[in-house]
Amino acid sequence: EAQVTQNPRYLITVTGKKLTVTCSQNMNHEYMSWYRQDPGLGLRQIYYSMNVEVTDKGDVPEGYKVSRKEKRNFPLILESPSPNQTSLYFCASSSGIPGQALLTDTQYFGPGTRLTVL
Amino acid sequence: AQTVTQSQPEMSVQEAETVTLSCTYDTSENNYYLFWYKQPPSRQMILVIRQEAYKQQNATENRFSVNFQKAAKSFSLKISDSQLGDTAMYFCAFMKHVSAGNNRKLIWGLGTSLAVNP
Repeated sequence: EAQVTQNPRYLITVTGKKLTVTCSQNMNHEYMSWYRQDPGLGLRQIYYSMNVEVTDKGDVPEGYKVSRKEKRNFPLILESPSPNQTSLYFCASSSGIPGQALLTDTQYFGPGTRLTVL
Repeated sequence: AQTVTQSQPEMSVQEAETVTLSCTYDTSENNYYLFWYKQPPSRQMILVIRQEAYKQQNATENRFSVNFQKAAKSFSLKISDSQLGDTAMYFCAFMKHVSAGNNRKLIWGLGTSLAVNP
């Protein structure tokens, strides 16, 4: 089954304790992205990656890091989490193949990770 | 910068009836893509329907259809024969046309919470 998986689904942690949220896709997609969802602010892009070893900042990258060492994985790293990073996080992927019609390049979303930083 | 506005925070409809969710957007782009996503209580983000701006014909997917008015920058979603399983948060999203190798960032509205009542 084609899917994007995220782990953990729920996490409660304390300020300053480094954590990693994993994201993996089994569709051989080139493009992957992270969003955070907050009440009143909607979904905002944190980072994205067009391919292995190619990553770039989205709209709200402060306090986050990512890596793309393998095509299937795109972990989100919080080196020193703070309470303002309490949020619902989504990973997404799409084929990203150059020349493919963007309309049909559906973005698949993971199930979300609910993070609480105390 | 592009913005997406959903003016109805909450709506309700009786089972088997029809409901229309509103979405307006602001952009100076001429070619772009519009999407409706559904987020049920499970929090999974699911693509409902998509529309390419240069296509005048409105997209339909089974019970879901859109009314795309490019000049008015309006993109409403009509759900016919509403079912209990349609209860969810619905998000309107915008993506500008990008060339190969560019970010496929989605810009999101704040959502409309739809309740389908038996």
